[in-house]
Amino acid sequence: GEDVEQSLFLSVREGDSSVINCTYTDSSSTYLYWYKQEPGAGLQLLTYIFSNMDMKQDQRLTVLLNKKDKHLSLRIADTQTGDSAIYFCAESKAGYQKVTFGTGTKLQVIP
Amino acid sequence: GAGVSQSPSNKVTEKGKDVELRCDPISGHTALYWYRQSLGQGLEFLIYFQGNSAPDKSGLPSDRFSAERTGGSVSTLTIQRTQQEDSAVYLCASSRTNQPQHFGDGTRLSIL
Repeated sequence: GEDVEQSLFLSVREGDSSVINCTYTDSSSTYLYWYKQEPGAGLQLLTYIFSNMDMKQDQRLTVLLNKKDKHLSLRIADTQTGDSAIYFCAESKAGYQKVTFGTGTKLQVIP
Repeated sequence: GAGVSQSPSNKVTEKGKDVELRCDPISGHTALYWYRQSLGQGLEFLIYFQGNSAPDKSGLPSDRFSAERTGGSVSTLTIQRTQQEDSAVYLCASSRTNQPQHFGDGTRLSIL
């Protein structure tokens, strides 16, 4: 079955770059997502990447995909205190909408 | 436009009571999902509706849990004879076919 793993916690200083890592097991995964969850809120889609891409950049966010190693990362440049949240990695296959989520990485930004 | 709307935002009830949680998806989204998020945990898939197809109920934890989606739009998740372990945040999401899911803010359920 599908499995998505993330480290539980990351602490960075304001202004530094954050890198949140994720590994998945299903080689047929087609879509890979990053969601952000702030306290008391639902999940907000940050970005997603197709499995035929290696990288996607969107302002301060850079997603890197190593399909061979089934490794996905999210880099946040110039991390701000407002970036403090839980970040979820997720994957799904084309034609099937069921999404498998990781357990989330709590990002703490120290002023 | 309006996002996914869930109600109530908070629900406190006594053990053994039944509860109904409501989800209004984004207009035009054919897929609707329910997840459960326990304190400090990731998302646990509960059930998935896609158009008129039979729902995927493989994630429902027990027969006390059921869900309906009427008219292909609004969905209700019902938990009968609630137990303390049912305390969690229940999240609803919707999407267009093969598009990312959009989440509501959830219903925080507390069983006393």
